[in-house]
Amino acid sequence: DSGVTQTPKHLITATGQRVTLRCSPRSGDLSVYWYQQSLDQGLQFLIQYYNGEERAKGNILERFSAQQFPDLHSELNLSSLELGDSALYFCASSGGGTGADTEAFFGQGTRLTVV
Amino acid sequence: QKEVEQDPGPLSVPEGAIVSLNCTYSNSAFQYFMWYRQYSRKGPELLMYTYSSGNKEDGRFTAQVDKSSKYISLFIRDSQPSDSATYLCAMSYTGGFKTIFGAGTRLFVKA
Repeated sequence: DSGVTQTPKHLITATGQRVTLRCSPRSGDLSVYWYQQSLDQGLQFLIQYYNGEERAKGNILERFSAQQFPDLHSELNLSSLELGDSALYFCASSGGGTGADTEAFFGQGTRLTVV
Repeated sequence: QKEVEQDPGPLSVPEGAIVSLNCTYSNSAFQYFMWYRQYSRKGPELLMYTYSSGNKEDGRFTAQVDKSSKYISLFIRDSQPSDSATYLCAMSYTGGFKTIFGAGTRLFVKA
């Protein structure tokens, strides 16, 4: 068990809908990262938050947004969902906000299926 | 061209074999090099990381980084069926925050 908790584990929704994925980082970790993993794209970095502030942005679509709350949990909001958004969404956390996330711990992921 | 290239496999070996997994990359600014292992339906877990060039050994696992060739390797000695998983290489920049992952290589170790 990595200590990173993601909910829900599975989500099935229709095109055009909006969903929220939740992540609770390891106790004491200030950084939260979101990744998308699909069969044809591999693991893609979406966004990083450090202590409530956005720190780095990857290939995150404008339809997607995230935030980190004062208790350090994070939410990833996906709107106007398309079939191509079906993927595994991982959250990871690490202790520091500077340098590389060399020791990031991943949650079990949320499997999103858009029908 | 992708920043990180990794052969997706699958790679099938008999138990006890030495496994070699490799990645190439194009950006010479990468300084941190990591290997993650991902079991089916689970999140990736960090196996090893190396800063800059050189070798690092941890039990049956050895990571090598050759920055001059932009090539990294993970060797698994005495492979076990429990090593069957997808292995992802990853790398990031000094002072940077985002990590770039390879596509992952699926490894099967047959008993």
